[in-house]
Amino acid sequence: EIMLTQSPATLSLSPGERATLSCRASQSVSSYLAWYQQKPGQAPRLLIYDASNRATGIPARFSGSGSETDFTLTISSLEPEDFAVYYCQHRSNWPTFGQGTKLEIK
Amino acid sequence: QMQLVQSGPEVKKPGTSVKVSCKASGSTFTTSVMQWVRQARGQRLEWIGWIVVGSGDTNYAQRFQETVTITRDMSTSTAYMELSSLTSEDTAVYYCAAGATVWDFDYWGQGTLVSVSS
Repeated sequence: EIMLTQSPATLSLSPGERATLSCRASQSVSSYLAWYQQKPGQAPRLLIYDASNRATGIPARFSGSGSETDFTLTISSLEPEDFAVYYCQHRSNWPTFGQGTKLEIK
Repeated sequence: QMQLVQSGPEVKKPGTSVKVSCKASGSTFTTSVMQWVRQARGQRLEWIGWIVVGSGDTNYAQRFQETVTITRDMSTSTAYMELSSLTSEDTAVYYCAAGATVWDFDYWGQGTLVSVSS
């Protein structure tokens, strides 16, 4: 089973700042990685699939990059609604999720 | 676009079973794959398994092989996840999700809280 480790656990930033979230895989996942946003009491929402492709309706301030074992989710300029928990996921027949990064308001 | 509506919260005793439903609308249920994921309080998402709606093929995470059954009813566009031999460790919010392939989690249900307590 491929393990995903996200860092940092918590990221404290202000609206308008740039956020950089990391996800590292225990072995290569090629580009088969997705990112999700989850707000309290809500289901996750797909943001990025296959490392760098934005899902339908996702604003352009969200971008993904990386391949093999190291991936990054970047939010170019934080909006108030972006403060949430973000998960990475290995896209496969046996998917796994990272432990999440909480993005909180500083 | 697909909308997924799940059944309501459940409270169960240890050793019993629970069956959660997920009703789809707005898109073609028969060509989709339905996934089930759970999340214990404050924990990461944990994949349980999927069903290819058209063929009925299923795949389960190893830890759930002996206790979970995922089914679907194409006449009502509903998927089901039944978990047996419940323990307190199964207390979690259970989500269904859907997509076009076994790798996709494009649409999500609202979640169903399953509480297991004696």
